[in-house]
This record gives sequence, C-alpha cells and structure tokens, in this order.
Amino acid sequence: GAGVSQSPRYKVAKRGQDVALRCDPISGHVSLFWYQQALGQGPEFLTYFQNEAQLDKSGLPSDRFFAERPEGSVSTLKIQRTQQEDSAVYLCASSLEVVRYEQYFGPGTRLTVT
Amino acid sequence: AQKITQTQPGMFVQEKEAVTLDCTYDTSDPSYGLFWYKQPSSGEMIFLIYQGSYDQQNATEGRYSLNFQKARKSANLVISASQLGDSAMYFCAMRWAYGQNFVFGPGTRLSVLP
Repeated sequence: GAGVSQSPRYKVAKRGQDVALRCDPISGHVSLFWYQQALGQGPEFLTYFQNEAQLDKSGLPSDRFFAERPEGSVSTLKIQRTQQEDSAVYLCASSLEVVRYEQYFGPGTRLTVT
Repeated sequence: AQKITQTQPGMFVQEKEAVTLDCTYDTSDPSYGLFWYKQPSSGEMIFLIYQGSYDQQNATEGRYSLNFQKARKSANLVISASQLGDSAMYFCAMRWAYGQNFVFGPGTRLSVLP
C-alpha cells in the first residue's frame, strides 16, 4: 500500500516482557518518527531517523526503549521489561526531509501492559 | 524550548456553523512550519493544513483555513460549515527547520451538534 503501516495493531504484554513494534514507512520518505500517545493527550516525540541514522533519541523515556532502522526503511521500536506506564498508543510517521512537508502517520500500535 | 499551547480542551459547534480552534506557539527560530491534524475516534492522524513561517498568505484547504498571526505567534484553525464528521480531536503541531522534529499541542476535542 501507499501509506505507513504498523504491526501489530494491538499488543498485550505481561509486565516484564519484551515487545517489538514494527513500522513500514512510505517508500522514499527519508525521515521516520516514533511517538508515544497516552489516552487523551497529544503525541509525544520519542525518536527520529534520517535514513538509517538515528539523529534524535531525546524523547525515549528510559534505556528500556530502543529503536532501529538498519536499512533506512523499516523501523522497529523495542521495549524491554515492559512496565504498566508503557501502556499507550505508539505512532510511527514518515516524511520527506524538508520543513514544509507534513508527516504521514501509521494507524498506531496500542500496547497494553498488564 | 519550543512549545505548543491549545487552550480549549473541548469545543462544541452547531452543524453548518464555523468554528475556530486556537493554537499558540513559542519559538525563537525564524524558520518553521505549522500543521494541523485531525484524530477521529478510530485513532488515525489525518493531515489537514500547513502554514510556513515565511508564507505571506494564510493557508486554505477546502473548508479549512489557518489564521496565521506571526507577531502574536498564533495559528488558529478555522473550520467553515461544520459537519458531523468533523467531530474529533484536533492537534496543532510545529516543525523546526533545524530540529526536524515535530512538537504537538495537547489537542482540542471538537463536538459537532446536529
């Protein structure tokens, strides 16, 4: 398809489990972003890639969060030893590089940690 | 630090009337882009409209227009002829030329009444 896809759409994890969330950006989009969106709030920036380079990871809440984009296309957000406060929707977005271009969002992965 | 403020947590509007959603921002960077996104209850983020900091005219996209007042650092979204399908969360976002990142406001929940 032409849009950003994410998988899985829903994930339930027991506290302490590791999870991996996948994002397939729009072909040709250089920039890729991960956001965390808590219920009723705006997306909060986690990390940003330009091609395969992770240029900004200042939003990752702890060292349990790790993201990669090894070939400059598909990206994976990994959360180790999940905690209840990690429960949120994780949004991936891709964009052309320059300022004037909007981000295109995927449908998100809803993570519930029990 | 860059920040987006949306002071209206919730708004109501009668169908077919116009409504203005407020957004103010704080930045010292001269080059930036302003975006509005719609997030219906289904969760996807839908791009609505873009305004560049150097654009001379206010942006318009169909029923959406952006009231951009650079000196006041405001970028209000105007929706004309509201429809029931406009009921959703609306987020104002900003992207900086040198940071590449997007920062989102807390959102405004719009409810269109029949």
